[in-house]
Amino acid sequence: GEDVEQSLFLSVREGDSSVINCTYTDSSSTYLYWYKQEPGAGLQLLTYIFSNMDMKQDQRLTVLLNKKDKHLSLRIADTQTGDSAIYFCAEVDSSYKLIFGSGTRLLVRP
Amino acid sequence: SAVISQKPSRDICQRGTSLTIQCQVDSQVTMMFWYRQQPGQSLTLIATANQGSEATYESGFVIDKFPISRPNLTFSTLTVSNMSPEDSSIYLCSVGRGGGVKGETQYFGPGTRLLVL
Repeated sequence: GEDVEQSLFLSVREGDSSVINCTYTDSSSTYLYWYKQEPGAGLQLLTYIFSNMDMKQDQRLTVLLNKKDKHLSLRIADTQTGDSAIYFCAEVDSSYKLIFGSGTRLLVRP
Repeated sequence: SAVISQKPSRDICQRGTSLTIQCQVDSQVTMMFWYRQQPGQSLTLIATANQGSEATYESGFVIDKFPISRPNLTFSTLTVSNMSPEDSSIYLCSVGRGGGVKGETQYFGPGTRLLVL
C-alpha cells in the first residue's frame, strides 16, 4: 500500500531556513499536502501542490516536488519560534483518502 | 476553506463507557472523514462518513466499535464504544468537497482529546 515517510525531528535557529523532507510511494497521487499541528491543536492546512508542478511558493513557504524520486520538501524561510510544531506531509489517493507521514517535529531555537 | 467545530474538545472517561463526538461544518460538504491520532503518532483514517448511507470503514476499524452517523451534509458523529485505555487518542474529523481541484483538499477540525481511565 501507499507509504509516506518523514524524518522525525529538525532543530533550527531562529531566522534560519528550515527544510522538511518527505518521500512517498504512490506515483499516481495527484495532490500532495503539508499540514501543521501546533501543540494541543488540530491540523492546519499549510499548502498543497499538484503533481504536475515542480515548485510552489507561498510567502515564506516553498514546496518542491521531484516526481521522479517521489520526494517532497517544505522550505520555511526566516523560521520563527511560532513555526515550532509538527509538520505532516500527506498524499491523497483516488478515493480522496489522505495518507499521512509520521510527522516532523520542528524546534526553533532562539 | 471550511470552519469545523468538534464537541467535546476533550473528555476523561471510564473504561467500558461510550462517548459520542460531534463534528459540525459551516457549509455543506460532500465528504467527511474521521481520524484517530494516538499519542505521539500520525493520523490514521477510521472511516469515511457518507451522507445517506453507511460509513465506509478502514481495515482494523469496525462499526460496532466506532458507529458513525451522517444525517446531513454539515454534521456527523463518531461514537467510541466500550472504551478501554487503548482508545485514548485525539479524534479528528475532516471535510472535503470532493471532485475538482480544490475539492480534494481536506480541512480538519480542532480535534477531541480523549483519555480513558
